[in-house]
Amino acid sequence: DVKVTQSSRYLVKRTGEKVFLECVQDMDHENMFWYRQDPGLGLRLIYFSYDVKMKEKGDIPEGYSVSREKKERFSLILESASTNQTSMYLCASSLTRPMDGSGYGYTFGSGTRLTVV
Amino acid sequence: DAKTTQPTSMDCAEGRAANLPCNHSTISGNEYVYWYRQIHSQGPQYIIHGLKNNETNEMASLIITEDRKSSTLILPHATLRDTAVYYCIVRAMNYGGSQGNLIFGKGTKLSVKP
Repeated sequence: DVKVTQSSRYLVKRTGEKVFLECVQDMDHENMFWYRQDPGLGLRLIYFSYDVKMKEKGDIPEGYSVSREKKERFSLILESASTNQTSMYLCASSLTRPMDGSGYGYTFGSGTRLTVV
Repeated sequence: DAKTTQPTSMDCAEGRAANLPCNHSTISGNEYVYWYRQIHSQGPQYIIHGLKNNETNEMASLIITEDRKSSTLILPHATLRDTAVYYCIVRAMNYGGSQGNLIFGKGTKLSVKP
């Protein structure tokens, strides 16, 4: 089974702290993604990466950065946490089918519920 | 990406088939239809996807109309564990750039009742 593991299930941080959310996948997937999920707003894409050291902004990148130094690991960084970043954070990975580029389905981690106080 | 329209909620009796509709009337020729579900407090789970032919796997069946403007996800024998929010998503075939990303709407909350 493909596994996407997020380092923490629950996290409480103080305003202004630098926060690292880690995500590791074990199936050699090229593509990795970070979403946040908020009630009434659904899932929103923060950043994604199609290869090592590659990153692209999603729909809501402000206040976040990412790092992908190794293929299996994609880190989300909150440079200076704020209360409006309290949310459920979901990491996902996928494989790109080489022939038609449609991509296999995404596999999601269980999520990290971050509370910034 | 094309937008999708799904009912906000549906009920289904345990053991019966659950048929979840999705409208995607502006879908483009190179866009696939994907279905995911999210059980409470978990990450979304991939169910199935298709382009124009009907698809079946161990979890569900996907029926896509001939004009591709709508589709139906079928859970043949719903159980209580199928209670979840079901998302219908269309996504471009070309994986390059943000066109390939999944955009989740609000989905359909399916409640399977005993």
